Amino acid sequence: DIVMTQSPLSLPVTPGEPASISCRSSQSLLRSNGYNYLDWFLQRPGQAPQLLIYLGSNRASGVPDRFSGSGSGTDFTLKISRVEAEDVGVYYCMQVHQSPRTFGQGTKVEIK
Amino acid sequence: EMQLVESGGGLVQPGGSLRLSCVASGFTFSIAEMNWVRQAPGKGPEWVSYISPSGDIILYADSVKGRCSISRDNAKNTLFLQMNSLRAEDTALYYCARDHRDASKLPIAFDIWGQGTMVTVSS
Repeated sequence: DIVMTQSPLSLPVTPGEPASISCRSSQSLLRSNGYNYLDWFLQRPGQAPQLLIYLGSNRASGVPDRFSGSGSGTDFTLKISRVEAEDVGVYYCMQVHQSPRTFGQGTKVEIK
Repeated sequence: EMQLVESGGGLVQPGGSLRLSCVASGFTFSIAEMNWVRQAPGKGPEWVSYISPSGDIILYADSVKGRCSISRDNAKNTLFLQMNSLRAEDTALYYCARDHRDASKLPIAFDIWGQGTMVTVSS
């Protein structure tokens, strides 16, 4: 199975400031079609996970443009350009390159 | 509004069985690829099982293979997960989640989630 490793595991943030989360995979997630099979989710307290980014850098429907995904191969980053209070929760990366799909451990984002 | 609603969870003794259901609305269920994903208390999500629109392709996580069976009734817009020989480590909130394709036919995993149904395995 592909192992996904996120850092940091906890991230205190200041509203209006940028934030960044790293995700590393044990195998390359880049396919021959040029896409990286890596997704990002946000799970707000008491809610189901919500898809933010698919295939490395594509924002899901309705996701604000302050969220962006980048990276290739085995190293990926989720960036929030200006954190808002509603962005608190746990962020997960997940690889969709091969079965079984596997998630990172999660990064808990909270307001300072 | 596109929606998934799970049911069927509950408290069951080790070795027991449960059948989870997930009713879809607001989209064409018969062409949707569907999954079960679970989340143990305080832990991250774990993919459990996948089924193709016609049911001809089925995948399971090793942790449930041989004990769980995924199925669907497209006429009733319903996804199922039959869980047998339940263990304490199966205790989790079970979500159904849809896979989709964007306008370029690129895969979008887990774009819709239900609210989950809780399964507790304990004596």
